[in-house]
Amino acid sequence: DIVMTQSPDSLAMSLGERATISCKSSQIVLHSSNNKNYLAWYQQKPGQPPKLLIYWASTRESGVPDRFSGSGSGTDFTLTISSLQAEDVAVYYCQQYYGIPYTFGQGTKLEIK
Amino acid sequence: QVQLVQSGAEVKKPGASVKVSCKASGYTFTTYGINWVRQAPGQGLEWMAWINTTNGNTNYAQKLQGRVTLTTDTSTSTAYMELRSLSSDDTAMYYCARRGFCDSWGQGTLVTVSS
Repeated sequence: DIVMTQSPDSLAMSLGERATISCKSSQIVLHSSNNKNYLAWYQQKPGQPPKLLIYWASTRESGVPDRFSGSGSGTDFTLTISSLQAEDVAVYYCQQYYGIPYTFGQGTKLEIK
Repeated sequence: QVQLVQSGAEVKKPGASVKVSCKASGYTFTTYGINWVRQAPGQGLEWMAWINTTNGNTNYAQKLQGRVTLTTDTSTSTAYMELRSLSSDDTAMYYCARRGFCDSWGQGTLVTVSS
């Protein structure tokens, strides 16, 4: 199984600050046939299902604010929130969909300082 | 718009089975596969299984092999997840989600296993 490891486990930032969450996979999730990284990022707020933010490691889902961006390739990935807003308080998960089982990271809880 | 609507909450006794449904609308059901993901109270997301809605092929997490079965009814655009031999460890919110990268999620079905 591909193990996904996020860091940090929790993060407290001030409004307007830049927040960065790291996700590392135990195996490469870059498919050579199409040069795509099979890596997604989700946001989950209390009492709600997760919401897709980013797929193919860096493609923003329709309707997601452009302060959210994804980067990285191979085994190292980053979710960046350029200017933290109050509504960004949530738990963030990365997921690889390169190989079965489609594993998730353990989650990063983002709070306002 | 794309919607996945799941069946309602369930309370089951240990050893029983549960079957959760996920009705899709707003797109052609057989275009995309369906994942099932669960989340125990206060915990992270756990991928359970995947079904190819075109041909019915399935993949299951190793730890659930033999206890979980995914099926579909393409005439009603509905996916089903059945979990057997329930224990308290199976108490969780169960979600269906479309595609490998889950671009649309059901609202969740809370399954509580308690004697």
